[in-house]
Amino acid sequence: AQSVTQLDSQVPVFEEAPVELRCNYSSSVSVYLFWYVQYPNQGLQLLLKYLSGSTLVKGINGFEAEFNKSQTSFHLRKPSVHISDTAEYFCAVSSNAGGTSYGKLTFGQGTILTVHP
Amino acid sequence: NAGVTQTPKFQVLKTGQSMTLQCAQDMNHNSMYWYRQDPGMGLRLIYYSASEGTTDKGEVPNGYNVSRLNKREFSLRLESAAPSQTSVYFCASSASWQEYFGPGTRLLVL
Repeated sequence: AQSVTQLDSQVPVFEEAPVELRCNYSSSVSVYLFWYVQYPNQGLQLLLKYLSGSTLVKGINGFEAEFNKSQTSFHLRKPSVHISDTAEYFCAVSSNAGGTSYGKLTFGQGTILTVHP
Repeated sequence: NAGVTQTPKFQVLKTGQSMTLQCAQDMNHNSMYWYRQDPGMGLRLIYYSASEGTTDKGEVPNGYNVSRLNKREFSLRLESAAPSQTSVYFCASSASWQEYFGPGTRLLVL
């Protein structure tokens, strides 16, 4: 079984300030890690994913995340946010065991990022 | 290329009524999923289909049934709706460890 905890339910920040959205996971097997973004009244869109290789992953819209296996974390960062980054962000994990080419995602509770002018 | 489409976008039901949520994808993906989204709980997997002809339960399957009609279509049925099923339902399909989500169906059960 696996679980995901997003440590902040809401994060307010001023425009052009840096932001970090925190995510910790628990799993008994190796996992793949994801961050999705949901804009109001829309579906989810993939921001970035970690499957293997470099632990620093760069995604769309200037976001990046770092996989830390020892701390079981996958925090999302952006050095300078824009008003348009206001959205809800979800961290998710999928087990990569069994050699399957698909993965059922386990999501965190979500973090609402609000960027103020 | 429409991606993942869902119908209807909105639905209001009375307790005990039945309905089917439709989902289709045009990306030739093998795997498809149904999630529900509730405030403060993220998305929870209801059912998934790893490939055409197979379906399996996810985290919260009670009160739902699914049908993988063909490779493109994956429907979710509520046989007897309950107020606890008021939620936003998302369909997704996946390839190469990336899931693509539809726009969602907002369901209110009175």
